[in-house]
Order: sequence, then structure tokens, then C-alpha cells
Amino acid sequence: AQSVTQLDSQVPVFEEAPVELRCNYSSSVSVYLFWYVQYPNQGLQLLLKYLSGSTLVESINGFEAEFNKSQTSFHLRKPSVHISDTAEYFCAVSNTGKLIFGQGTTLQVKP
Amino acid sequence: AAGVIQSPRHLIKEKRETATLKCYPIPRHDTVYWYQQGPGQDPQFLISFYEKMQSDKGSIPDRFSAQQFSDYHSELNMSSLELGDSALYFCASSLERSGANVLTFGAGSRLTVL
Repeated sequence: AQSVTQLDSQVPVFEEAPVELRCNYSSSVSVYLFWYVQYPNQGLQLLLKYLSGSTLVESINGFEAEFNKSQTSFHLRKPSVHISDTAEYFCAVSNTGKLIFGQGTTLQVKP
Repeated sequence: AAGVIQSPRHLIKEKRETATLKCYPIPRHDTVYWYQQGPGQDPQFLISFYEKMQSDKGSIPDRFSAQQFSDYHSELNMSSLELGDSALYFCASSLERSGANVLTFGAGSRLTVL
């Protein structure tokens, strides 16, 4: 069985500051890792994914995440956040198709 | 590009009533997943279908049932509704039942049970 732990339930940060949202996973088999973003009153949107290859993956809006197998982590980072990045971020793991989500981290960007 | 379509977007029901949610996957996607997201919680996997057959089952109550039809759309039927069933219900679709395939989510159906 797989599980995901997001270590921070809320992360407040000022605009243009860097941010890291932490994610650790547990699995006895190889998995695929994902970050989804949920804006208020909206659905889940894929932010980025690690399937294989380079352990550093990037999104089109400046986020990146690094797969670290030895530490079983997939932390999400952005060097400079914007107000519009305020949302709920979910880390997820999969190896059989269905996604297992973490508890979510609320990123609150302040002006 | 076509997305996953869910209907209705909002639904209000009384306790003990029945509700049906519909999901239309992305064209050519053959796998559908249903998730339930309670207030302030992470999405919980309910059930999935691959090629119209149930492929996996999660924490779906016995009062709930679902199926995938010949046109690949899926319906989630919920009976004897309880207050605790109030949640956002997401449908997602993918091509092939594999972890390497990305799930695309619909906007969700918000069920409120009074």
C-alpha cells in the first residue's frame, strides 16, 4: 500500500519570496508522483509529474519538484511566488492507476 | 481540448433521498475514477472502471453504486443520503489503467445534504 504525507498543512509566504511544500511518500513498489493544485471552488489541476528519467521536473508556471528516492520525497519548490499561486496543493502517488493523495498544503501568498 | 464533464455542478438533497452524479470522460479515455472530497480534506478514492468493468474499489459506502456505460460515461448513484455525504465529488479519466497515465479531473459536483 502507498501513502503520502504532506508535512505542512499551511504555508504563509510573502509575494516574491521562495517557497517549498514538502511531500514524503511510502511505498514498497516503484511509484509515480504528482502534484495537483486546487484553486478555491475549482477542480484539481495537474501541476507536474515524475514518471521516470530526470529526477527534477518543472511546470510551465515556475514550479519544480525533485524526486529523491533515498529520502522518499517529492518536495515542490518555487523561487518566487505570486499572489495568484494562493491555492491548495496536493501531492499524490500512484502505481496502479488510482491516485493516493496527501492531506494537502494551503499556500497563502501575502502582498 | 475536451475536458472531463461532470453534472450537475451543484445538488441539494434531503436526508434519506437519492442522488445521481454523471461523468463524461475525455474522448477515447477508457478509465474513469470517482473521488469524494469532504470539507477541508484530501480527495478519497471511491471506485474506478476500466472498459466498463469495475477495476478498483476504495472507501465507497454500500449505499453508493456506480457503473460505466457503453459510451464510457459513468454515473455515481447515492441512496439513503446522510449529512456526512455532503462533499465535492470528482470524476477523473485516463487512457489505460496505469500509473504512468495522468488523471484529468472534472470540475466536480458539489452535493449538499440537508
